[in-house]
Amino acid sequence: GAGVSQSPSNKVTEKGKDVELRCDPISGHTALYWYRQSLGQGLEFLIYFQGNSAPDKSGLPSDRFSAERTGGSVSTLTIQRTQQEDSAVYLCASSLGLAGRETQYFGPGTRLLVL
Amino acid sequence: DQQVKQNSPSLSVQEGRISILNCDYTNSMFDYFLWYKKYPAEGPTFLISISSIKDKNEDGRFTVFLNKSAKHLSLHIVPSQPGDSAVYFCAAREGDISGYALNFGKGTSLLVTP
Repeated sequence: GAGVSQSPSNKVTEKGKDVELRCDPISGHTALYWYRQSLGQGLEFLIYFQGNSAPDKSGLPSDRFSAERTGGSVSTLTIQRTQQEDSAVYLCASSLGLAGRETQYFGPGTRLLVL
Repeated sequence: DQQVKQNSPSLSVQEGRISILNCDYTNSMFDYFLWYKKYPAEGPTFLISISSIKDKNEDGRFTVFLNKSAKHLSLHIVPSQPGDSAVYFCAAREGDISGYALNFGKGTSLLVTP
């Protein structure tokens, strides 16, 4: 596709439920990132995938958060037993994944509201 | 612990004037800095970047200045246009390798009035 796409665009869920957020990176981009932006905060790094390497999970806030990337393309971020503090905009970005400084291209985000 | 700080949550500038957005950082290992622009309901879009070996980078109406000794960078927009109204995020990266996570500030909301 022309850009990074994310679905759903909005998600309302009840506390304790699991949610799955999807990201389709730009075709040919091997690096994929998840960030989240809580109200009044900057973007917070969650997890990074590069090709077939083990992901960098250093930003995940708890073990309720997990992500996978199938076939080196689409990624799913899963939040189990959601809490109200998980409410945020979840942003996915991708980049070429080549050596050197690269621009990360962001999707429009998924707005998650946990009631 | 916020390593990238944008201390002005908002800024209002008249059309045609200069907009100056400021950013401070605390991590001396940061060596690459970026500015992103974000419209409502859209993801951030890359605007301009600067390497730590430079002190200035210019792209059209946008110029980024880096003062390493002060750990400070600024984005200048001149002349400002109403379409520049958006939230601007400063971001920094540690290392010169593809794939390092970006550290973002909280953003500055710029309003350019006609």
